[in-house]
Amino acid sequence: GENVEQHPSTLSVQEGDSAVIKCTYSDSASNYFPWYKQELGKRPQLIIDIRSNVGEKKDQRIAVTLNKTAKHFSLHITETQPEDSAVYFCAASRNQAGTALIFGKGTTLSVSS
Amino acid sequence: DVKVTQSSRYLVKRTGEKVFLECVQDMDHENMFWYRQDPGLGLRLIYFSYDVKMKEKGDIPEGYSVSREKKERFSLILESASTNQTSMYLCASSPSGRASDTQYFGPGTRLTVL
Repeated sequence: GENVEQHPSTLSVQEGDSAVIKCTYSDSASNYFPWYKQELGKRPQLIIDIRSNVGEKKDQRIAVTLNKTAKHFSLHITETQPEDSAVYFCAASRNQAGTALIFGKGTTLSVSS
Repeated sequence: DVKVTQSSRYLVKRTGEKVFLECVQDMDHENMFWYRQDPGLGLRLIYFSYDVKMKEKGDIPEGYSVSREKKERFSLILESASTNQTSMYLCASSPSGRASDTQYFGPGTRLTVL
């Protein structure tokens, strides 16, 4: 069945370092890949997304890259700050009614100052 | 600003009880979703609805049902609650029938079944 694998499950970095979270998807028909951030006690919120016709997208300190051939995509956060500490979820569109996502299991990022 | 609300932040129920979790969105969104969030398991889709009275099973529909009688309201029903349904339940909505639409999440309901 459809699956999204996300690694690592936890990541600890020092403030100012870069952080990279990787995801692999199984359904070659997936064409949309969002990333959601969930701060402690808060609801998940979209932070960046990428479509299958694009290889990379940047928004200030965050970027996402997509390798369709290998079926994997990554989130890159540069110059990390304590407020980047959160759980990050990757997701991929499903080949089912075109309306739902399948999420990875999440990565808990801790940024220490 | 999109607002998605859930009827309760915390709920404690007994095994065997019928439980209703309510979700309301105020932005005339077509799609609504129910997820379950457990540590280490991420967000798992229970059911979703792409129109009034329309529903689709997600990955873990067993033990749950849903109701969408009005566009703005999507209810999750646990017919006979069990302890393994203790979890955080998140509702979400998105504007239309495209997977590329942003999903807006509610604050969550933490359900404990004793």
